[in-house]
Amino acid sequence: AQSVTQLDSHVSVSEGTPVLLRCNYSSSYSPSLFWYVQHPNKGLQLLLKYTSAATLVKGINGFEAEFKKSETSFHLTKPSAHMSDAAEYFCVVNVGWSNTGKLIFGQGTTLQVKP
Amino acid sequence: ETGVTQTPRHLVMGMTNKKSLKCEQHLGHNAMYWYKQSAKKPLELMFVYSLEERVENNSVPSRFSPECPNSSHLFLHLHTLQPEDSALYLCASSQDRRPDETQYFGPGTRLLVL
Repeated sequence: AQSVTQLDSHVSVSEGTPVLLRCNYSSSYSPSLFWYVQHPNKGLQLLLKYTSAATLVKGINGFEAEFKKSETSFHLTKPSAHMSDAAEYFCVVNVGWSNTGKLIFGQGTTLQVKP
Repeated sequence: ETGVTQTPRHLVMGMTNKKSLKCEQHLGHNAMYWYKQSAKKPLELMFVYSLEERVENNSVPSRFSPECPNSSHLFLHLHTLQPEDSALYLCASSQDRRPDETQYFGPGTRLLVL
């Protein structure tokens, strides 16, 4: 069965310090993996995605994630947190193949950034 | 965010009311989706439309009825809802349903059922 687990429901960092949001996945197929961000009262916005090309993926706003097949992980990182990064982050796996893509969402991680 | 719009943004309804949620995408995409986001639960896929044909119904109760009149518009008709249906309903679209395609989300409709 395909699934995704975000290991932390809440992460708190100080502004200017590194961010690490952890995600592990389970998939029978070669997965496509995504990170989405949701700011309060807003829809979801794509940060980055992995689709079997480079294992280190760079996204918007300075975020990046590394696909590690041996560890079945796709952790999201940013070298220096900004106050505007405070939001809910979702790790997502697409379990489909051909033209039957279907997103499976993690539970979400709330990122708090302290001044 | 402006590529996918949803109306209304907020909705309060009684259990006997009938209402509809509207989604419109301006991206020329062929696939559209309805998701439900409840507190403390992962986003749940409800319905998928591809080229205006419903291709997936994720065991959603019949009190939720989707409609896709054309590739740009998607509706979710609501009737005799329950309080536990209160949630944020998100619409999304993608070019097609390939697994590596990005889904673009609207801002959502926050629904409260009294």
